[in-house]
Amino acid sequence: GENVEQHPSTLSVQEGDSAVIKCTYSDSASNYFPWYKQELGKGPQLIIDIRSNVGEKKDQRIAVTLNKTAKHFSLHITETQPEDSAVYFCAGADKLVFGAGTILRVKS
Amino acid sequence: GAVVSQHPSRVICKSGTSVKIECRSLDFQATTMFWYRQFPKKSLMLMATSNEGSKATYEQGVEKDKFLINHASLTLSTLTVTSAHPEDSSFYICSASPPDGLNSPLHFGNGTRLTVT
Repeated sequence: GENVEQHPSTLSVQEGDSAVIKCTYSDSASNYFPWYKQELGKGPQLIIDIRSNVGEKKDQRIAVTLNKTAKHFSLHITETQPEDSAVYFCAGADKLVFGAGTILRVKS
Repeated sequence: GAVVSQHPSRVICKSGTSVKIECRSLDFQATTMFWYRQFPKKSLMLMATSNEGSKATYEQGVEKDKFLINHASLTLSTLTVTSAHPEDSSFYICSASPPDGLNSPLHFGNGTRLTVT
């Protein structure tokens, strides 16, 4: 089955700095790559996704880049704010396999 | 936007009793819903795929007689934890996506914190 690896497991940044989280996947047939944000005590919320026909997608301070050759996709958050502090998950091709998660802490 | 509602958000029960958790898709029909379990500081683990009108598909290692899933309508799936024990204490989350294929996003409920005493 699909294998999804996510790094780093924790990430601390200063407010205003950028944060990058990376996921690698194993199934070369994958063509949908989502990122979810989970706040404490809540379910994950989709924050951005990308499909295999594009290499990058941006939504204000959030962007996702995709490298299908290398089979990895990354989440980029610019100008980080304290409210960006949460756990972030990527998911595999069938949306049913999640990365291990990244705890992002934005220090003010 | 699409919303998935999960109820209750928190439940405490005694060992040996059963607990039912509901997952509703509020503005779309979901022929398939998913149930996950999440341990503290861990990722989501898929437990089962709930299929409207048919039996659920369970992941390896998940006891189907322990975690009963019913998907009786296109907007409601229920997970019943039967004869609950303290080791069943966890955060249970459901999700669903609108019926337009694999490339549509998943929408998650806000989870149910189950504590078995």
